[in-house]
Amino acid sequence: AQSVTQLDSHVSVSEGTPVLLRCNYSSSYSPSLFWYVQHPNKGLQLLLKYTSAATLVKGINGFEAEFKKSETSFHLTKPSAHMSDAAEYFCVVTRYGNKLVFGAGTILRVKS
Amino acid sequence: DTGVSQDPRHKITKRGQNVTFRCDPISEHNRLYWYRQTLGQGPEFLTYFQNEAQLEKSRLLSDRFSAERPKGSFSTLEIQRTEQGDSAMYLCASSLVAMGSPYEQYFGPGTRLTVT
Repeated sequence: AQSVTQLDSHVSVSEGTPVLLRCNYSSSYSPSLFWYVQHPNKGLQLLLKYTSAATLVKGINGFEAEFKKSETSFHLTKPSAHMSDAAEYFCVVTRYGNKLVFGAGTILRVKS
Repeated sequence: DTGVSQDPRHKITKRGQNVTFRCDPISEHNRLYWYRQTLGQGPEFLTYFQNEAQLEKSRLLSDRFSAERPKGSFSTLEIQRTEQGDSAMYLCASSLVAMGSPYEQYFGPGTRLTVT
């Protein structure tokens, strides 16, 4: 069985400061991991993916995530938050992409 | 590439009525997935198709739910005898699964169902 735990339901940062959204996963197999973003009234958009290649993954809009097998973590970071980053972020685990298992989501608030 | 489309975007129905949603995937994608998202939760997997074959169904998909993908292109999700607990956002996604392809799923905007 696979599962994902997003450690914070809400994160608030000031514009221009770093973003850290935390995700721990559980998987019986070598997982593929994704981060998706959902803006209000918009569809889910893929930010980045890890599929057993490089452990540091770069995504769109300056986001990146590091796969740490020893810690079973896949935290999402961005050096400098922008107002447009305010959204809900989902950490996702899958095996072979047959079905995605989503975390409960982290709502990111960016203060001006 | 026009993306994944879903119709309708919103549906309000009375308890006990039947509803049907449609999903049109990205044209070259061979897999199509349905998920359900309730308020404050991440999406939960319901079912998926590879071409026209339904390969997996979640235990969340009760007997009142049925999904089809008759020609391996668009898909429909029908809910019979709707209940208030069916109120949710129903999401469709598609992907191309082949040798060397990366498995990412592309999502549509969703159909928001409200059962009164």
